[in-house]
Amino acid sequence: DIVLTQSPATLSLSPGERATLACGASKSVSGTYLAWYQQKPGLAPRLLIYDASTRATGIPDRFSGSGSETDFTLTISSLEPEDFAVYYCQQYGDSPLTFGGGTKVEIK
Amino acid sequence: QVQLVQSGPEVKRPGAAVKVSCKTSGYSFTKNYIHWVRQAPGQGLEWMGIIHPNGFKTVSAQKFQGRVTMTRDTSTNTVYMELSSLRSDDTAMYFCARRHVYGDFMDYWGQGTLVTVSS
Repeated sequence: DIVLTQSPATLSLSPGERATLACGASKSVSGTYLAWYQQKPGLAPRLLIYDASTRATGIPDRFSGSGSETDFTLTISSLEPEDFAVYYCQQYGDSPLTFGGGTKVEIK
Repeated sequence: QVQLVQSGPEVKRPGAAVKVSCKTSGYSFTKNYIHWVRQAPGQGLEWMGIIHPNGFKTVSAQKFQGRVTMTRDTSTNTVYMELSSLRSDDTAMYFCARRHVYGDFMDYWGQGTLVTVSS
């Protein structure tokens, strides 16, 4: 199984700051088949990015994804109040599908 | 608009089975697979399996093989996930999620069904 390790576990930032979240894979993710989700308390996850860098429908352009093989990054260029949440990466290049452990972006 | 609406919370005894439903609407039911993902309290996301709406193809994570059964009812556009031989560590929120047409990621999610396993 591909193990995804997200870092940091918690990111404490202020609104307007830039957030950089990392997702590392235990082996190369074929086809850059990596997605990012946002989850707020009590809600289902929301798709942000797929194919490592393609924004999902309706996602603001302050969210961007990059990376390949074993190293992937989600960047939020300027944090809005509604962006404070937990973020998960997920690989779909290999079965079983796996998720990272999550990064919590909290208000500093 | 695309919607996935799940059944209500369940409380089960260890050793019992639970069946969670996921009623879909707002798109052509036969076009998209449905994933099942669970989340234990305070924990991350765990993929359980996937079903094609024609019902002929299901794939489950090895961890759940032999315990999970995924089915569908095309007359009501509903997908079901049954988990048997429940243990306390099966206590979790269970989500259904639509597979995007481009790949095995999830573009629309149900609201989740809390399953509590307790004696």
